[in-house]
Amino acid sequence: DTEVTQTPKHLVMGMTNKKSLKCEQHMGHRAMYWYKQKAKKPPELMFVYSYEKLSINESVPSRFSPECPNSSLLNLHLHALQPEDSALYLCASSQVSGWETQYFGPGTRLLVL
Amino acid sequence: AQSVSQHNHHVILSEAASLELGCNYSYGGTVNLFWYVQYPGQHLQLLLKYFSGDPLVKGIKGFEAEFIKSKFSFNLRKPSVQWSDTAEYFCAVSNSGGGADGLTFGKGTHLIIQP
Repeated sequence: DTEVTQTPKHLVMGMTNKKSLKCEQHMGHRAMYWYKQKAKKPPELMFVYSYEKLSINESVPSRFSPECPNSSLLNLHLHALQPEDSALYLCASSQVSGWETQYFGPGTRLLVL
Repeated sequence: AQSVSQHNHHVILSEAASLELGCNYSYGGTVNLFWYVQYPGQHLQLLLKYFSGDPLVKGIKGFEAEFIKSKFSFNLRKPSVQWSDTAEYFCAVSNSGGGADGLTFGKGTHLIIQP
């Protein structure tokens, strides 16, 4: 099984809402990632978790709060987002090494009104 | 900081034509290099990667790429494209250090194959 699942597929939220994105993998990977992809642009790294600990934070605003409750799950908590945060949010997982293949989920398409 | 440059943002080819997509990276250290593909409506998936050894790497669906260290390049090639190769292609780089590292992507090449 080389699948990374993400829920929900689509999310519409207001600027005062709190919501969470979820990501799950059962490949035994110990590294998990969040990327943000705007339309017609490449994915941009947001966070890296390695062995359930945050190892890289690419200076992401605090209105995005990641959480890795166990080795299979990765959450992204959203609060007080701005319309410019509307994007496709991609989760990926891999073994813990820079040369390992990252397996991507289908993404959550977020619209902030 | 790493950066990746893809020379062609839009490429239109006819079926059976040969393909070469350019990719250059800038980074002072040792890197891992990847080509990912995003077919319409599908996930990003790996085509091929290079991290050491033979600089000519072969991937899925008949794709190959050559790492030329002196030119900081990792160009993607396919001798004969098919209509089903229509997709967005991303070159990416990661740090060759021991731990997990995020990917830095190029801006992508939108490839359209005309039947």
